Amino acid sequence: DQQVKQNSPSLSVQEGRISILNCDYTNSMFDYFLWYKKYPAEGPIFLISISSIKDKNEDGRFTVFLNKSAKHLSLHIVPSQPGDSAVYFCAAIDSGSARQLTFGSGTQLTVLP
Amino acid sequence: SQTIHQWPATLVQPVGSPLSLECTVEGTSNPNLYWYRQAAGRGLQLLFYSVGIGQISSEVPQNLSASRPQDRQFILSSKKLLLSDSGFYLCAWSPDKIEQFFGPGTRLTVL
Repeated sequence: DQQVKQNSPSLSVQEGRISILNCDYTNSMFDYFLWYKKYPAEGPIFLISISSIKDKNEDGRFTVFLNKSAKHLSLHIVPSQPGDSAVYFCAAIDSGSARQLTFGSGTQLTVLP
Repeated sequence: SQTIHQWPATLVQPVGSPLSLECTVEGTSNPNLYWYRQAAGRGLQLLFYSVGIGQISSEVPQNLSASRPQDRQFILSSKKLLLSDSGFYLCAWSPDKIEQFFGPGTRLTVL
């Protein structure tokens, strides 16, 4: 049972435009969500997180939105840059009980120059 | 600041041979430690996690095992590798079980 789903395996965006990466979850007990990006043959890099008590968190070009009623979160990258091309993973945790994150399967973002 | 090391960076091993991958963390104490595998074209699969020395939890039954002989050392092992063990192995640490920070990874190819 996939509790965290990234239904788009890939996304292409023009440089300078907005990239929107989506993630859905099924476990209503999840209360903390994170986004990572990963380049080939490297470890994932933490980007941004959001607690379930918020619906938006912003850090520079990255903004994460959380819609608890829809069990949906998204990562917005504005403006997109070629260096943003990577695989993006969303992850979630029920911080009250679980000891580990549950990751989605990832979305390959390609930013075209 | 905290850093996490993994070695080797790449490894090519024959089927049936043993495996030992090492992960160490610097600059923190009593971290939560994790081993993940990323198979080609797939997401991150949690293999093991540890909340303290000698405490290992396994997420997926397989021919791999993990050990934590010291507070900041996490080892992934196998007695006999299978072809299906090929993949990219990632170690991660967390101060609070929520935000995890990953090492550079080990590319394992089993022939």
